[in-house]
Amino acid sequence: DVKVTQSSRYLVKRTGEKVFLECVQDMDHENMFWYRQDPGLGLRLIYFSYDVKMKEKGDIPEGYSVSREKKERFSLILESASTNQTSMYLCASSLGPAGDTQYFGPGTRLTVL
Amino acid sequence: AQSVTQLDSQVPVFEEAPVELRCNYSSSVSVYLFWYVQYPNQGLQLLLKYLSGSTLVKGINGFEAEFNKSQTSFHLRKPSVHISDTAEYFCAVSSRDDKIIFGKGTRLHILP
Repeated sequence: DVKVTQSSRYLVKRTGEKVFLECVQDMDHENMFWYRQDPGLGLRLIYFSYDVKMKEKGDIPEGYSVSREKKERFSLILESASTNQTSMYLCASSLGPAGDTQYFGPGTRLTVL
Repeated sequence: AQSVTQLDSQVPVFEEAPVELRCNYSSSVSVYLFWYVQYPNQGLQLLLKYLSGSTLVKGINGFEAEFNKSQTSFHLRKPSVHISDTAEYFCAVSSRDDKIIFGKGTRLHILP
């Protein structure tokens, strides 16, 4: 059974802290994605990666960076957390190009105080 | 550029009644279309997808959707809903050369 895991379900951080969100997939997928989900806004793509050490900006990359050192792991980094980054963060992976199914992790609900 | 519109943010429906969740898209190229479901406190999972071929697509849990190219729609239907269908449903569009775009979601409320 396919599996995408995220390091935390709930996280509380203070403004200005550096925050790491980790995502691991066990399906040998090429593509990995980070989204944020906010009520009424749906899912918005932050960054994606189509190969190790490769990354592409999504629709809302400002305030975020990513790292993909190994195929199975994709990290989202908030360099200096701000209250407007309080959100649900979802990681996903897919095997191939755009038509392939994306498999999602359970999400990390981040609160920045 | 592609976009997707889910016409209803919330849909209440009585248990065992039929339901339709509406989705319209815009794209200048051939599209792939998806419906994902998010149960409370979970990530998204695929309900069904249209890549090519038959315009009527059947998915899990008794859901189906019909691709209508002339109306640029991909509405999701179920003939009889159950309380366990309470969830948020996301329509999404992509093409061969572009990333997936999600709609804003439709919350399905099942009334007893």
